[in-house]
Amino acid sequence: DIQMTQSPSSLSASVGDRVTITCRASQTISTFLNWYQQKPGKAPKLLIYVTSNLHTGVPSRFSGSGSGTEFTLTVNSLQPEDFATYFCQQTHSVPTTFGQGTKLEIK
Amino acid sequence: QVQLQESGPGLVKPSGTLSLTCAVFGGSITSNNWWSWVRQPPGKGLEWIGEIYHSGSTKYNPSLKSRVTILLDKSKNQFSLKLNSVTAADTAVYYCARVPVMTGSTLASWGQGTLVTVSS
Repeated sequence: DIQMTQSPSSLSASVGDRVTITCRASQTISTFLNWYQQKPGKAPKLLIYVTSNLHTGVPSRFSGSGSGTEFTLTVNSLQPEDFATYFCQQTHSVPTTFGQGTKLEIK
Repeated sequence: QVQLQESGPGLVKPSGTLSLTCAVFGGSITSNNWWSWVRQPPGKGLEWIGEIYHSGSTKYNPSLKSRVTILLDKSKNQFSLKLNSVTAADTAVYYCARVPVMTGSTLASWGQGTLVTVSS
């Protein structure tokens, strides 16, 4: 299985900040990388698919980039509703696998 | 917009079988989607269990394949998960999700999840 490693595991930031979360794959996955947002007690929601494509309804302050084994999720001008846990997912190989999550907390 | 709703027992005894159903609303289960199950142990990350297409084709996580069956009922517009020989390690929130074809397991929409506890 392809191992996905996110960094940092947790992150403190303030409203209005710009934050970046990194996801690394144990082998190349081209651009088959998705990002999800999960709030406590809720199901994850798809944010970005195939590295850089925003899912329907996702604000443009979210963006993704990368290829191969290293990927980033950037959130510009953090809003209060952005404080959540973020997961990356590779869809290059079966089984699809997820990163361990990055918890974004309010400073 | 397609919505999904999981249902099933919240408590299963060790060595028993976990059985869950996911009802699909606002769209047909025979549409151009795969239908997936994912689980999340309390406080932990996400694990993909498997998925099914309306043709009956399935894909399973090799780590669970020997214990998992995913079935689809077109007449009820729902799909189901059976996981046998459960242990405490199978305690998790179980989610069903919709996977548009050709997106390679991209989970575009999710049910709200249901907690299943394995305990005697």
